[in-house]
Amino acid sequence: ETGVTQTPRHLVMGMTNKKSLKCEQHLGHNAMYWYKQSAKKPLELMFVYNFKEQTENNSVPSRFSPECPNSSHLFLHLHTLQPEDSALYLCASSQGRGYTFGSGTRLTVV
Amino acid sequence: KNEVEQSPQNLTAQEGEFITINCSYSVGISALHWLQQHPGGGIVSLFMLSSGKKKHGRLIATINIQEKHSSLHITASHPRDSAVYICASVIGHSNYQLIWGAGTKLIIKP
Repeated sequence: ETGVTQTPRHLVMGMTNKKSLKCEQHLGHNAMYWYKQSAKKPLELMFVYNFKEQTENNSVPSRFSPECPNSSHLFLHLHTLQPEDSALYLCASSQGRGYTFGSGTRLTVV
Repeated sequence: KNEVEQSPQNLTAQEGEFITINCSYSVGISALHWLQQHPGGGIVSLFMLSSGKKKHGRLIATINIQEKHSSLHITASHPRDSAVYICASVIGHSNYQLIWGAGTKLIIKP
């Protein structure tokens, strides 16, 4: 356990479903991130939240919708996904230059 | 352009061998992370360093700021060290962002 908890660990969803990924940290970090890792590719930054405010959206399609209700929780709402969205979704938090990562959610879109 | 290059891309070695993974970056950074990702997906931060050398158990990380180069060494390698090792440079001095290397897949055979 790293201090950043992601649920669920695995998710299989159809293209018409709506689901949400959850990330939680109680490390007192002020920034939280969503990353996508597709097979054999480097991590891609999706969203950044600093003190609950979204500071970065890396041209992510609108079928991915982040929510940060407080500095400890981060959600990624998913709807009408495509098979190419199947990937490992990693949450991270940071304070200064130090980062902590969650274990990821392995998402399969069928 | 900010780039992080890792080598080798893949490395297979016998148990007990001394392992070196290299990382080069193209622009000035405020720190560099070495991270480990096991097949399950979760990422663990091994080191964050901005100068010199750090050691933790059988792992040693060094960085040469002038040459923009860092190395991760594993002494007395063991099959449980098999994982993907990723370096990521930290840029910025107030809003820290990570620039990711592509990772080195390490397999240690018994």
